Amino acid sequence: DTEVTQTPKHLVMGMTNKKSLKCEQHMGHRAMYWYKQKAKKPPELMFVYSYEKLSINESVPSRFSPECPNSSLLNLHLHALQPEDSALYLCASSQKGPSGNTIYFGEGSWLTVV
Amino acid sequence: ILNVEQSPQSLHVQEGDSTNFTCSFPSSNFYALHWYRWETAKSPEALFVMTLNGDEKKKGQISATLNTKEGYSYLYIKGSQPEDSATYLCALPEDQGGKLIFGQGTELSVKP
Repeated sequence: DTEVTQTPKHLVMGMTNKKSLKCEQHMGHRAMYWYKQKAKKPPELMFVYSYEKLSINESVPSRFSPECPNSSLLNLHLHALQPEDSALYLCASSQKGPSGNTIYFGEGSWLTVV
Repeated sequence: ILNVEQSPQSLHVQEGDSTNFTCSFPSSNFYALHWYRWETAKSPEALFVMTLNGDEKKKGQISATLNTKEGYSYLYIKGSQPEDSATYLCALPEDQGGKLIFGQGTELSVKP
């Protein structure tokens, strides 16, 4: 099983809403990632969790709040988002870091902020 | 910031054509190079992870080479099929920490 599962696939939320994106993997991977991808641009790293601890935060605004409840799950809590936050949010995982380890991506969650 | 460049930006070929594209990167502080294939509405699919200068990897009709001394990798597709139509991305770790820097991608369209 090399799957990274993301839910929901599509999400529309208002600027005052609170919602969460969820990501799950059962490959025993100890590194998990959130990426953001806007149309026609490459994915950009947001957060990295290593052994369930936040190891990288790419200066992401606090309206995005990651959480890693256990080694298989990664959440991204969303609150007071702006329309420009509309994008595809990709979750990924790897055995350890990306130096020599394959990173597996989910299909992404399409987020629209209205 | 690591600069990863891919060329061409897009490519249109006929079914049966062989094709190749390039990923260029700084030759210093190299850790690994990842190739991905990303079809619309699907997750990016990992093709190869390459770490050693001179590496050559193959998966079906797709192969890749790596030259870390001069800072480039080639991806080859032999006998392209319409189902090979996708965006091909290369990515490199910025350091040992976990940040992967992606190139802009090469969008391949294979016409029947």
